[in-house]
Amino acid sequence: GDSVTQMEGPVTLSEEAFLTINCTYTATGYPSLFWYVQYPGEGLQLLLKATKADDKGSNKGFEATYRKETTSFHLEKGSVQVSDSAVYFCALRLNAGNNRKLIWGLGTSLGVNP
Amino acid sequence: DVKVTQSSRYLVKRTGEKVFLECVQDMDHENMFWYRQDPGLGLRLIYFSYDVKMKEKGDIPEGYSVSREKKERFSLILESASTNQTSMYLCASSYLSGANVLTFGAGSRLTVL
Repeated sequence: GDSVTQMEGPVTLSEEAFLTINCTYTATGYPSLFWYVQYPGEGLQLLLKATKADDKGSNKGFEATYRKETTSFHLEKGSVQVSDSAVYFCALRLNAGNNRKLIWGLGTSLGVNP
Repeated sequence: DVKVTQSSRYLVKRTGEKVFLECVQDMDHENMFWYRQDPGLGLRLIYFSYDVKMKEKGDIPEGYSVSREKKERFSLILESASTNQTSMYLCASSYLSGANVLTFGAGSRLTVL
């Protein structure tokens, strides 16, 4: 069935390090892909999205490219900050049938040390 | 600033009690969702609604019910709370069409003793 797989955490980095959080998916058709972020004590919020192959989503220095050939949507940031410490969720939405539901990865916790 | 408001951030209830979790959104969104979030299990969809008085089961509806009498309000009901329903509950909403981006509330942490 349709699914999203994220790298397990927790991930711990030093400030200014390069970040990659891997996300791969299994889905029929051409899904839309999302990264959401959950800061401590808060609900989730959209970080970035891509709706078709080769699209690049970007926001707050984070980027992710929709790679259909590898069914991936890896999240990257060139230089992390302490304020990026959060849990990151990859998700997909099928663009056929019941598209009101998202399929979620399990989340990856990121901690950034000063 | 548009938002989703969950009425209680923290609740402590006893086994067998009836529990109401309220969620209100001010964005005129058609879709509303209730998730629970548990360590190692990610987000699991309990129920969702795409219109007033309409509801659909998510992945884990057992032990829960919902009510949507007005477009802006979506309530989650635990008829008889059990300890395995101790969790973080997240409400979200979105437009019916378009990118379907979810806006989440801050969450309600429920502890059932």
